[in-house]
Amino acid sequence: EVQLVESGGGLVKPGGSLRLSCAASGFTFSSYSMNWVRQAPGKGLEWVSSISSSSSYIYYADSVKGRFTISRDNAKNSLYLQMNSLRAEDTAVYYCARDKADAVGAAFDIWGQGTMVTVSS
Amino acid sequence: DIVMTQSPDSLAVSLGERATINCKSSQSVLYSSNNKNYLAWYQQKPGQPPKLLIYWASTRESGVPDRFSGSGSGTDFTLTISSLQAEDVAVYYCQQYYSTPPYGFGQGTKLEIK
Repeated sequence: EVQLVESGGGLVKPGGSLRLSCAASGFTFSSYSMNWVRQAPGKGLEWVSSISSSSSYIYYADSVKGRFTISRDNAKNSLYLQMNSLRAEDTAVYYCARDKADAVGAAFDIWGQGTMVTVSS
Repeated sequence: DIVMTQSPDSLAVSLGERATINCKSSQSVLYSSNNKNYLAWYQQKPGQPPKLLIYWASTRESGVPDRFSGSGSGTDFTLTISSLQAEDVAVYYCQQYYSTPPYGFGQGTKLEIK
């Protein structure tokens, strides 16, 4: 079964750090670009970051640029999001999502269940 | 950046009736070299992650019922549910994935039963 499972969420104080992980299974992880998308409580979807299959291309939303770092370990079938200098507005469910193809421009066909990040003092 | 705007924000439709959701992009998402519109539709039910319904503006994802259809080109797109079922109650999002990121989503349309 094709599956993505996020972990690493939790409660963190403003200015703190957190590292999210996404474990992939059931498909050849190294062949797909991957993404992080977040959803604040009661709000819509916000694309956060993307990484190509070989990590050659990395992109960030302006709202997280300079604070978040996306990475992947194809040997471990895992995607990561290192989040530093966290703010209250980063509070959200964070989803990892797979590109439907390893190409520039693809819909997100597989999503994890999400992990909740709460930034509060 | 390409901005996606959906209408309406919410919609109530009777069971068995047609539901129509619109999505407009601030610039064309039609790639002339392959004549494809880089536009997707997602369905999100409460407490669940989004589910891909439609990609390339009109291609149904495997397993999606054929009552769901997508249309449009360039900057104006439509998701149509031909005969609303109770299980279709959800929030629907459009997304553009034209060229390189950012890949913006519309604000969402909440679909309810009348």
